Amino acid sequence: QKEVEQDPGPLSVPEGAIVSLNCTYSNSAFQYFMWYRQYSRKGPELLMYTYSSGNKEDGRFTAQVDKSSKYISLFIRDSQPSDSATYLCAMGVDSNYQLIWGAGTKLIIKP
Amino acid sequence: DAGVTQSPTHLIKTRGQQVTLRCSPKSGHDTVSWYQQALGQGPQFIFQYYEEEERQRGNFPDRFSGHQFPNYSSELNVNALLLGDSALYLCASSLVGADEQFFGPGTRLTVL
Repeated sequence: QKEVEQDPGPLSVPEGAIVSLNCTYSNSAFQYFMWYRQYSRKGPELLMYTYSSGNKEDGRFTAQVDKSSKYISLFIRDSQPSDSATYLCAMGVDSNYQLIWGAGTKLIIKP
Repeated sequence: DAGVTQSPTHLIKTRGQQVTLRCSPKSGHDTVSWYQQALGQGPQFIFQYYEEEERQRGNFPDRFSGHQFPNYSSELNVNALLLGDSALYLCASSLVGADEQFFGPGTRLTVL
């Protein structure tokens, strides 16, 4: 069993829909949780990070962490075609040490 | 302000050869991490350098080695290349103690 599980998709939704992306993990020592966006042939770009349970909002993006269930989510409101990319969750015990990554979910927003 | 830069962009090698990849961190950053990302997978941590020392290492064989220079730039060396080493190699820089790592565009290595 992988430490971090993420559905690879693809997930295809119409423009304007609310998108929900999820990861589960098995290591209860993880304290830092991050969401990255990766466009084709580019490096990952940090979208959001959090180190506590609960919700964190930034514009159209909301990150949610449930440590009791070992489950994290990223919600995207008013999705746009430009949001089409692969979304990777990453987590770690210490934010400045190695991150353990999910495989990424490919998201397609249809105009 | 330039972000993280990596060179070369693409590289084709044959089995058994050796390769060196280069990374320049974002201005002001002192820590460099290297990751291997196979097609359709998330990045896997190779190692991290700080103050010219390897600070932490992932589950990669000794064929993978690195170096950090006094100007904080870094190299990743891979010896005795295998077909399975074909991947996107990502460099990420950060400031020690900070939460965020910034990634470069990667070097795509193809081993034939």
